[in-house]
Amino acid sequence: AQSVTQLDSHVSVSEGTPVLLRCNYSSSYSPSLFWYVQHPNKGLQLLLKYTSAATLVKGINGFEAEFKKSETSFHLTKPSAHMSDAAEYFCVVRPSGTGGYQKVTFGTGTKLQVIP
Amino acid sequence: EAGVAQSPRYKIIEKRQSVAFWCNPISGHATLYWYQQILGQGPKLLIQFQNNGVVDDSQLPKDRFSAERLKGVDSTLKIQPAKLEDSAVYLCASSLDRGYNSPLHFGNGTRLTVT
Repeated sequence: AQSVTQLDSHVSVSEGTPVLLRCNYSSSYSPSLFWYVQHPNKGLQLLLKYTSAATLVKGINGFEAEFKKSETSFHLTKPSAHMSDAAEYFCVVRPSGTGGYQKVTFGTGTKLQVIP
Repeated sequence: EAGVAQSPRYKIIEKRQSVAFWCNPISGHATLYWYQQILGQGPKLLIQFQNNGVVDDSQLPKDRFSAERLKGVDSTLKIQPAKLEDSAVYLCASSLDRGYNSPLHFGNGTRLTVT
């Protein structure tokens, strides 16, 4: 079984300051991990994915995330927040396993507020 | 490439009425998902198809919800009869396959309001 915990339901930052959105996971098998962003009244857009290659993953819009197996974490960061980053962010885990059905599990989401 | 298409974008119905949502996945994507997203919550998987077969429908309220994916391409999700608690955004997603490194691509969703 697997689970995803997004440690903050709301994060507020000032424009131009760093962003940190925290995600911890548990998985019986080595997982793939994803971050998605959802703007109001929109579907979910893939920001980045980790699939057992480089542990530091770069995504779109200046976001990146680091896979830390020892800490079972996959935190999302951005050096400088922009107003357009205000949205909800979801951390997603998909275990590998061998054959069978590997369920996609979503975190509960973190709402990012960017203050001008 | 064209994204996942969903229609309608918005729907308002009264309780006990029926409603249907349509989804056209990205061309060539074998796996299709329907999610329910209640306001303020993360998406909850309702049903997952691999081609035209069901992989997981464990959280689909089968007494009122049904879904099909004819010919392994387009899909329809139906609710009959609707309840107030069905008010949510219904998201369709597709992925190339159900492999663990295959990301999901989402449509813009259908916002359902049941009055």
